[in-house]
Amino acid sequence: GAVVSQHPSRVICKSGTSVKIECRSLDFQATTMFWYRQFPKQSLMLMATSNEGSKATYEQGVEKDKFLINHASLTLSTLTVTSAHPEDSSFYICSAAPQRGAGETQYFGPGTRLLVL
Amino acid sequence: GEDVEQSLFLSVREGDSSVINCTYTDSSSTYLYWYKQEPGAGLQLLTYIFSNMDMKQDQRLTVLLNKKDKHLSLRIADTQTGDSAIYFCAERAGGSYIPTFGRGTSLIVHP
Repeated sequence: GAVVSQHPSRVICKSGTSVKIECRSLDFQATTMFWYRQFPKQSLMLMATSNEGSKATYEQGVEKDKFLINHASLTLSTLTVTSAHPEDSSFYICSAAPQRGAGETQYFGPGTRLLVL
Repeated sequence: GEDVEQSLFLSVREGDSSVINCTYTDSSSTYLYWYKQEPGAGLQLLTYIFSNMDMKQDQRLTVLLNKKDKHLSLRIADTQTGDSAIYFCAERAGGSYIPTFGRGTSLIVHP
């Protein structure tokens, strides 16, 4: 149980286009979902926290207008990278928690590799 | 300095024990975690320990916590090639529900 999927697993796009990444909890309802960004050989950087039905809370330095997060249902959160540029190329990982806040349980998706040309 | 520190690399021979170390700075840490990330994949929670525990064992995994020194370790017994991955230490303070991750230790297991 507790499976989190991400789609797509890998995407290549042209500079200036927008890319949407989906994160789904497959067998549980995720009250809270998190979006992370990971650079090579670096740790995970939390970008934002979203609770179902409310606006996402962004970490300092993360542009909310560039990284749009929607958590419209208890099983789906989307991250849209708007007007992507090469510096947005990264590995984006979502995680989902079955209760508000992470508690001690946070289930991670397999990640989405974004390459912006 | 970083809130959670780990060495970046560890190389061991197959069959030996691996010990991955982690130090953290937040004395109010409540939960301490070890995650495993295989190439191109997300993070898998291996184990976690509450701050009021000294040790937790789960099959080949042993977690030791020295709260006084803010030091956490993960020991993998009889390390196999399938254990090759990046291992992330993370801590979560009592007042926060967001874990803080270290940069990860890349474990390389060679024959």
